[in-house]
Amino acid sequence: QSALTQPASVSGSPGQSITISCTRTSSDIGGYNYVSWYQQHPGKAPKLMIYDVSNRPSGVSNRFSGSKSGNTASLTISGLQAEDEADYYCSSFESTSTGVFGGGTKLTVL
Amino acid sequence: EVQLVESGGGLVQPGGSLRLSCAASGFPFRNYAMSWVRQAPGKGLEWVSAINDDGDSTFYADSVKGRFTISRDNSKNTLSLQMNSLRADDTAIYYCAKGIAGRTFSFDYWGQGTLITVAS
Repeated sequence: QSALTQPASVSGSPGQSITISCTRTSSDIGGYNYVSWYQQHPGKAPKLMIYDVSNRPSGVSNRFSGSKSGNTASLTISGLQAEDEADYYCSSFESTSTGVFGGGTKLTVL
Repeated sequence: EVQLVESGGGLVQPGGSLRLSCAASGFPFRNYAMSWVRQAPGKGLEWVSAINDDGDSTFYADSVKGRFTISRDNSKNTLSLQMNSLRADDTAIYYCAKGIAGRTFSFDYWGQGTLITVAS
């Protein structure tokens, strides 16, 4: 069982906003201020969307934003577009110096 | 342009060995940590192993510890993963991933992946 729990699926209509949560289930995650989010389209490599909880890499749309409250990090996508339909993964690292990914969330744009 | 190109994938029997390589270009390879991340068919991402910029620190997931060895050659801009005692549950696409500056477990560039199938 992953130390990071995500909902299996979320959905939204074009133009709406959605939020994907990533909850720390282990008390032993040292890197929770270093949560990253990745987007993966079918058959493609993952793409970094957010790092260090809320930082957006150059070239990533400002419709994507990240935040954290307590044990839960969140990825919010505003102004949903059809191209946003993909799998999304959160990640961090544990104090044992091992990386960890959440189980992934499938976003469906209705 | 950053490029990461994996090679070495293929079909291998249970108990066998395989060596993956990742050729990096477009950035100062020696300055960044690198990782391998895998994805079993139809499943999520799993971090496998990481190595720091100068290669003197390595990290492994429990699922591969003692069987896999990560290494790098900064003179050839190459990352490697030696995989021994392979099992059916090692079947996956293996991605090479570049660490963000100053971070080992956040990845800003990924290769396209190489498929490893462990089956008899």
